[in-house]
Amino acid sequence: DTAVSQTPKYLVTQMGNDKSIKCEQNLGHDTMYWYKQDSKKFLKIMFSYNNKELIINETVPNRFSPKSPDKAHLNLHINSLELGDSAVYFCASSQLAGVADTQYFGPGTRLTVL
Amino acid sequence: GDSVTQMEGPVTLSEEAFLTINCTYTATGYPSLFWYVQYPGEGLQLLLKATKADDKGSNKGFEATYRKETTSFHLEKGSVQVSDSAVYFCALSDRGYSTLTFGKGTMLLVSP
Repeated sequence: DTAVSQTPKYLVTQMGNDKSIKCEQNLGHDTMYWYKQDSKKFLKIMFSYNNKELIINETVPNRFSPKSPDKAHLNLHINSLELGDSAVYFCASSQLAGVADTQYFGPGTRLTVL
Repeated sequence: GDSVTQMEGPVTLSEEAFLTINCTYTATGYPSLFWYVQYPGEGLQLLLKATKADDKGSNKGFEATYRKETTSFHLEKGSVQVSDSAVYFCALSDRGYSTLTFGKGTMLLVSP
């Protein structure tokens, strides 16, 4: 059983389209995250949710809208896709939201905007 | 703000060589420190962590010691294997929440 899963694994789309990436964790964790990894492999936090509540929003354009329907799911919807949105997006989860908590990452979704 | 600085890669070693990947950090509070590893085409996995000064994290032959006086968390392994080839990320968590601030990653290539 995959602990943190993401769908789709690959996403190729045109500029201006709207797309969603889904994330699910079966670890019973309270906290979930979205990270963006750029072409140079630099990773940056985008959002964090704790018990379905948004707790971190790191100056991400408002074209990006996370939604957490329940504690096990955190989806990412992106409107009006731009070339610069091309990246690998990782979902992660942790038991709690403390500084020492280990995060468990999904396999990533590679988004390519043409 | 918080930041993590890692040595530039790629680091190229022969099998059984000694590995050091340097990592230093700046943080306003008392961070927890982590090393994550990313194998080709996969997500990140926790390699080891340390949550307070002088703690040593260890796993799979890798070690790192939390040095507050030098704000460092260098990764070491005594004898690398080809299967250790991956990208290694140093990270910290410091803001009351567990969001990670990552270094830029160091690619390790081990040849037989």
